[in-house]
Amino acid sequence: AQSVAQPEDQVNVAEGNPLTVKCTYSVSGNPYLFWYVQYPNRGLQFLLKYITGDNLVKGSYGFEAEFNKSQTSFHLKKPSALVSDSALYFCAVRDIEDSNYQLIWGAGTKLIIKP
Amino acid sequence: DSGVTQTPKHLITATGQRVTLRCSPRSGDLSVYWYQQSLDQGLQFLIQYYNGEERAKGNILERFSAQQFPDLHSELNLSSLELGDSALYFCASSPGTNTEAFFGQGTRLTVV
Repeated sequence: AQSVAQPEDQVNVAEGNPLTVKCTYSVSGNPYLFWYVQYPNRGLQFLLKYITGDNLVKGSYGFEAEFNKSQTSFHLKKPSALVSDSALYFCAVRDIEDSNYQLIWGAGTKLIIKP
Repeated sequence: DSGVTQTPKHLITATGQRVTLRCSPRSGDLSVYWYQQSLDQGLQFLIQYYNGEERAKGNILERFSAQQFPDLHSELNLSSLELGDSALYFCASSPGTNTEAFFGQGTRLTVV
C-alpha cells in the first residue's frame, strides 16, 4: 500500500539555523514526490517536486529537498530559517504506475521558527 | 493565485441542512480532488474525478457526494450536516500524472 510518513508533528528551529522536515514514503513503483506549505487559514501552496533527474531539488522561498531512493526519503531543508517560514508543511507522493494520478499525503509537520 | 476557484469562501449552516460547495479547476486541468481539513487535522482525501469520471474515493461519508461536470467544474454536496462536519474543504486540480496539484483557498464550513 502506498503511504507517506512525516514522523515529527512539530519541528522547532531558531531563526538563522538550518531546518529539516522529514518525509519517508512507500510506493510500489517509482515515486513522484511533492512538498507543500500551508499558512494559517490558507490553501496549500506548492513548494517543490521530484520527478526524475538530480536528487537535490530546489524550490520556492529557498527550500530544497533531497530524494534518497535507498532510504525512501524526501526531506525538506533550508540552510537558514526565517520566522516567516513558520507554517504547516505537507509531503505527498504519487506512484508513477498509478493511472488514477492519486496523491498520497503525509499528516503534516508544524514548523515553528523562533526569533 | 493558484487558478483554482472555490465558492463560497465561508458558509454557516444549521445541523441537518444540505450545502453545495463549488470548484472551478485551472484551465485545462482534468483532475479534481476534494479534501477535508478539520481543526488541527491533516488533509483527509474525499474523492477524485478525472475528466468527468470518478477515479478514487477516500474517507467520504455516504452523506457526501460529488460530481464533475462536462465543463470540468466540480461540486461537493454535503447533506444531513452534523456539527462534526465543520471544517475547511479544499479543492485541488492537476493536469495529469507528473505535475503538482494546485489548491483553491478552501471553503470554511461551520455547522451550528
